[in-house]
Amino acid sequence: AQTVTQSQPEMSVQEAETVTLSCTYDTSESNYYLFWYKQPPSRQMILVIRQEAYKQQNATENRFSVNFQKAAKSFSLKISDSQLGDTAMYFCAFMKHKMSDMRFGAGTRLTVKP
Amino acid sequence: DGGITQSPKYLFRKEGQNVTLSCEQNLNHDAMYWYRQDPGQGLRLIYYSQIVNDFQKGDIAEGYSVSREKKESFPLTVTSAQKNPTAFYLCASDREGNQPQHFGDGTRLSIL
Repeated sequence: AQTVTQSQPEMSVQEAETVTLSCTYDTSESNYYLFWYKQPPSRQMILVIRQEAYKQQNATENRFSVNFQKAAKSFSLKISDSQLGDTAMYFCAFMKHKMSDMRFGAGTRLTVKP
Repeated sequence: DGGITQSPKYLFRKEGQNVTLSCEQNLNHDAMYWYRQDPGQGLRLIYYSQIVNDFQKGDIAEGYSVSREKKESFPLTVTSAQKNPTAFYLCASDREGNQPQHFGDGTRLSIL
């Protein structure tokens, strides 16, 4: 079974600075998908970024980028120029083939301080 | 606007009572999912349905039941057999394939 590990339960960052959230996963598959979801205090789950394992290029979405290390099974999220609205729980997720396979990490609570 | 609507936002259950959580989507998505979220844990899949009148158990289906009579609707019943139902419940949907899921705003269930 695939497992997803987020080793940082909580993190904080000053506004406008950069922060990196860690995620590792365990799988024997060669092709799969990885996601970062954001859950603000409103509790709605919002997709931040996705990465397809067969693509070597790291995904980027505005201030959000990933460092995907396939051999190391690592998928970290970098948030640049942190904003107060980035305060949320961040979940890393792994998907093998379809959404019913999706597995989530336990989450990292990020607080952006003014 | 298209989206997923979960109701109610808050729900209380008495001992021995069944309660039903509603999930409706107008995104014309084929697949729908129910997740449970507990503090300090990620989302865990309860049930999912990829087509009308068909559904499969997820990782933690015991004590729950679902139905999928319409494409738009996927209600979840928390039965009295679920001994620890206090949690946040999220409904999601997606098109067939590897598209990212859309999530509802969730229902918080508590025990009276």
